[in-house]
Amino acid sequence: QAQLVESGGGVVQTGRSLRLSCAASGFTFSRYTMHWVRQAPGKGLEWVAAISFEGSLKYHVDSVKGRFTISRDNSKDTLFLQMNSLRSEDTAVYYCVRVLESDYGFQYWGQGTLVTVSS
Amino acid sequence: QSALTQPRSVSGSPGQSVAISCTGTSADVGHYNYVSWYQQHPDKAPKVMIYDVTQRPSGVPDRFSGSKSGNTASLTISGLQAEDEADYYCCSFAGTSYIFGTGTKVTVL
Repeated sequence: QAQLVESGGGVVQTGRSLRLSCAASGFTFSRYTMHWVRQAPGKGLEWVAAISFEGSLKYHVDSVKGRFTISRDNSKDTLFLQMNSLRSEDTAVYYCVRVLESDYGFQYWGQGTLVTVSS
Repeated sequence: QSALTQPRSVSGSPGQSVAISCTGTSADVGHYNYVSWYQQHPDKAPKVMIYDVTQRPSGVPDRFSGSKSGNTASLTISGLQAEDEADYYCCSFAGTSYIFGTGTKVTVL
């Protein structure tokens, strides 16, 4: 069974950086596109970023472009999200997500890691 | 891109059917047959219920069904059960991004 475990969340000051990690197991990590999806407290889901299976294609939502970067290390079955210049509106639970076999949907979700940006 | 539009809440009695709409644009819902639906219980990670507009993943009850017409997709829950009470989100592929809906709270009366 696929398992995704996020880490790296915490409380950080406005303008600082944080790097999230997601350890994958139970499936061949290098075969799948991976995503980050976030959810602000009491709010809805927001897609943040995606990376192709081999890492050559990366996409980010407009609100994080130039500040966040998605990456992966297929040798270590790990997904990353580097978050720079953090803002209060980035406060959310960040989920690591694996796509369905069909590629256009989100099948496996981690438990999420909370990032709190405070001044 | 703006979030897809969903009703804030819907409700029904056990055994009844409820439908949740998800309205986007010709650039997302109307253009791609890649609409998916997610169920989220409080303090839990979302769970995929429908993908590719109408497809049900293994293990999802056939009480859940999806459809699309133009720029609007819909999720129907037939034979509503107590455990169906949750938040539901639609999501559409939009070329180089994904857009989620605003979310709908389903209440079982």
